[in-house]
Amino acid sequence: EVQLVESGGGLIQPGGSLRLSCAASGFIVSRNYMRWVRQAPGKGLEWVSAIYSGGSTYYADSVKGRFTISRDNSKNTLYLQMNSLRAEDTAVYYCTRGGDEYFQHWGQGTLVTVSS
Amino acid sequence: QSVLTQPPSVSGAPGQRVTISCTGSSSNIGAGYDVHWYQQLPGTAPKLLIYGNSNRPSGVPDRFSGSKSGTSASLAITGLQAEDEADYYCQSYDSSLSAFYVFGTGTKVTVL
Repeated sequence: EVQLVESGGGLIQPGGSLRLSCAASGFIVSRNYMRWVRQAPGKGLEWVSAIYSGGSTYYADSVKGRFTISRDNSKNTLYLQMNSLRAEDTAVYYCTRGGDEYFQHWGQGTLVTVSS
Repeated sequence: QSVLTQPPSVSGAPGQRVTISCTGSSSNIGAGYDVHWYQQLPGTAPKLLIYGNSNRPSGVPDRFSGSKSGTSASLAITGLQAEDEADYYCQSYDSSLSAFYVFGTGTKVTVL
């Protein structure tokens, strides 16, 4: 059974950093399309970042240069390093496993709140 | 920021049929990319409902169906049930420089 468990969210001041983790089970992270999607409170879904099996990484313009996606194959875990956080980054962050172009499995999400 | 447009809300009585539209452009749906649909029940993570325009993952009832034509797509729910009350999002791939994966604005389905 595929499971995705996010952690690392919390309250952080503007300009601060956080690292989100997504522990995966039931499949191998490095052989799959892995992506982060976020949802601001009361808002819709927004794709944030992706890492493909070959290691290529991609980012939405809104986070480019501030967020870094990575994976640890030995831990079968996906990460999202978030720097220079802004109020508009406040959201629930979901770890997802693809689908070539879609999001097949979702974690339960972790809430990131950027506020002073 | 969403580039796929959906109606904010649709409603129907139990047993009725409702449809949700998803309108895109020449850089996403109109470029031939597939449309996928997600259901988000209150307080939970989204769940894949339809992939590849009209395919249902295992476990999704056949009351849910999808279609695509031109720059638009639709999700139909037949035999509406109380447990179908949720938010629904369409999603596609976009070939523009700003985003690879784009979501719809979301539609709240209310069962009267």
